[in-house]
Amino acid sequence: NAGVTQTPKFRILKIGQSMTLQCTQDMNHNYMYWYRQDPGMGLKLIYYSVGAGITDKGEVPNGYNVSRSTTEDFPLRLELAAPSQTSVYFCASSYPQKALPYGYTFGSGTRLTVV
Amino acid sequence: GENVEQHPSTLSVQEGDSAVIKCTYSDSASNYFPWYKQELGKRPQLIIDIRSNVGEKKDQRIAVTLNKTAKHFSLHITETQPEDSAVYFCAASNTGGFKTIFGAGTRLFVKA
Repeated sequence: NAGVTQTPKFRILKIGQSMTLQCTQDMNHNYMYWYRQDPGMGLKLIYYSVGAGITDKGEVPNGYNVSRSTTEDFPLRLELAAPSQTSVYFCASSYPQKALPYGYTFGSGTRLTVV
Repeated sequence: GENVEQHPSTLSVQEGDSAVIKCTYSDSASNYFPWYKQELGKRPQLIIDIRSNVGEKKDQRIAVTLNKTAKHFSLHITETQPEDSAVYFCAASNTGGFKTIFGAGTRLFVKA
């Protein structure tokens, strides 16, 4: 049981380049999320999904796109990378049932630097 | 919009002392309050949580209290140890747990 797996762990992008951050979970969780964490700061929600085919914007969605074609996968796409997108990106998932905790399981993060 | 305020931003204690971190939330519909611990360079990990129908919950050296009327909740760590040093995040969410709002975090230093 791997939990939430993110790839890559590190990446350096040049301004204007694009990339996809991969996230997959094997816990059959309905809900998945993408957060960014700037140095010394808290977590800001980029996008979230409550199930396959359903996505919605969080606090800071500009410059990003997501898709959710399967329950397991929730990739985050960066188009035209900008220095302001330098951050650590965390994917997370949760299983929203009353009998179970709503707490998130986080992936190990992707450290992205845009130069 | 909804927000969660967390205090203090930094907390330094001697090993063996207690540490208390306080949070205030704004959304009356919030009914689930998790706490996460993030060690340096690592992912946040859920350490304890509480639901709105409970006023207090304890797990070994950590406890959480919730005052729904005042919209306050707190994390208490007793007999602190150096390995408790980390950033702690409080959070609040509604039924289902999505759109969780995180506090800004508290950096806890436990001095040996």
